[in-house]
Amino acid sequence: AQTVTQSQPEMSVQEAETVTLSCTYDTSESNYYLFWYKQPPSRQMILVIRQEAYKQQNATENRFSVNFQKAAKSFSLKISDSQLGDTAMYFCAPGGGSEKLVFGKGTKLTVNP
Amino acid sequence: GAVVSQHPSWVICKSGTSVKIECRSLDFQATTMFWYRQFPKQSLMLMATSNEGSKATYEQGVEKDKFLINHASLTLSTLTVTSAHPEDSSFYICSVRPEEGWNEQFFGPGTRLTVL
Repeated sequence: AQTVTQSQPEMSVQEAETVTLSCTYDTSESNYYLFWYKQPPSRQMILVIRQEAYKQQNATENRFSVNFQKAAKSFSLKISDSQLGDTAMYFCAPGGGSEKLVFGKGTKLTVNP
Repeated sequence: GAVVSQHPSWVICKSGTSVKIECRSLDFQATTMFWYRQFPKQSLMLMATSNEGSKATYEQGVEKDKFLINHASLTLSTLTVTSAHPEDSSFYICSVRPEEGWNEQFFGPGTRLTVL
């Protein structure tokens, strides 16, 4: 079974600054994917970034990047140049492929002007 | 990514009645759809996996006779909450995993159910 731990229930950051959200997980799968989703106040779940576990190179998507440490089972999300629109709940989720997603409890991020 | 719709976006019903929620994949054929529920300020909890043309697979603790799932086509899955009670009030979200070659799930906008 997969488990996910997001140890930061809430975080805040000033606009234009950088923030890192942490996530650790446990899985018995050898081939899997990792995802970060955001859920803004509208409650629409939006895919932020994904990482294939077999790839050593960290994924990047514009201002969003990950630090994937496979041996440590760590998958943190870095948001650069934070914007007000980044205010949301962020969920880390391992899974993908034929596997179902398991979501962490989430980190509520507030970007302050 | 895939575009997913849900209908209705919110519904209020009386205790004891049944409510049907539709989930549609608008631009992809989805052999697999998922249903989640989310309580306020909590994470998403998977209820069941819906496979086109076969019975849904329910997660442990989810009553299959209470939450009926039908995935009759590659673009439509429905969740029916039967004999709804106030404790069933929640936010229900569906997602689709398009056909082979995709790994991420794409989510609908959710349905807020309030049972009086």
